[in-house]
Amino acid sequence: KAGVTQTPRYLIKTRGQQVTLSCSPISGHRSVSWYQQTPGQGLQFLFEYFSETQRNKGNFPGRFSGRQFSNSRSEMNVSTLELGDSALYLCASSVATRQGDEQFFGPGTRLTVL
Amino acid sequence: DQQVKQNSPSLSVQEGRISILNCDYTNSMFDYFLWYKKYPAEGPTFLISISSIKDKNEDGRFTVFLNKSAKHLSLHIVPSQPGDSAVYFCAASDSQTGANNLFFGTGTRLTVIP
Repeated sequence: KAGVTQTPRYLIKTRGQQVTLSCSPISGHRSVSWYQQTPGQGLQFLFEYFSETQRNKGNFPGRFSGRQFSNSRSEMNVSTLELGDSALYLCASSVATRQGDEQFFGPGTRLTVL
Repeated sequence: DQQVKQNSPSLSVQEGRISILNCDYTNSMFDYFLWYKKYPAEGPTFLISISSIKDKNEDGRFTVFLNKSAKHLSLHIVPSQPGDSAVYFCAASDSQTGANNLFFGTGTRLTVIP
């Protein structure tokens, strides 16, 4: 079974631009969560989508948004990029939200904002 | 505000000895705890988890201990192997607000010396 895939793997943008990251979950997984990893803050939860609906949201500004498609693929968008948005963005998929359902992480997209 | 803390950024252990990684949390609503391992250029990989109704969970060389009164958990790896060298993250969730909203620590880099 193929794992979680994320595209692109690396991205360089400049301040003020916007960016869209893509995540394809494991086949059959309906939940997709997004995380931001920075050296100072570690991994921080951005949001979770389940059946095309945002089910949970972390403490990030409205510049960070996402969506999920009917095939469970998810996109994350960051508008008006800031230098501090430079980070590794990870997505994780799971079958459902029942505790004990393991989240499988993709390799991440490394975003650099200049 | 970091609700999950890993106060040791790094740990070095001789091959064959025990590795003990520690994690503290502040939110008493957390009821599910996980450990993830991360290699460079890869997403985190699930290792082991524990529910708050237990105080110990064992899987092969990996054992997680939970002390709810101290809001502390630890991961024991016995015996440690060079392939265990990676960054280890502990994570916690509150099933009431979202089982897939994981709060991560900042990680501990484990180096197992052959």
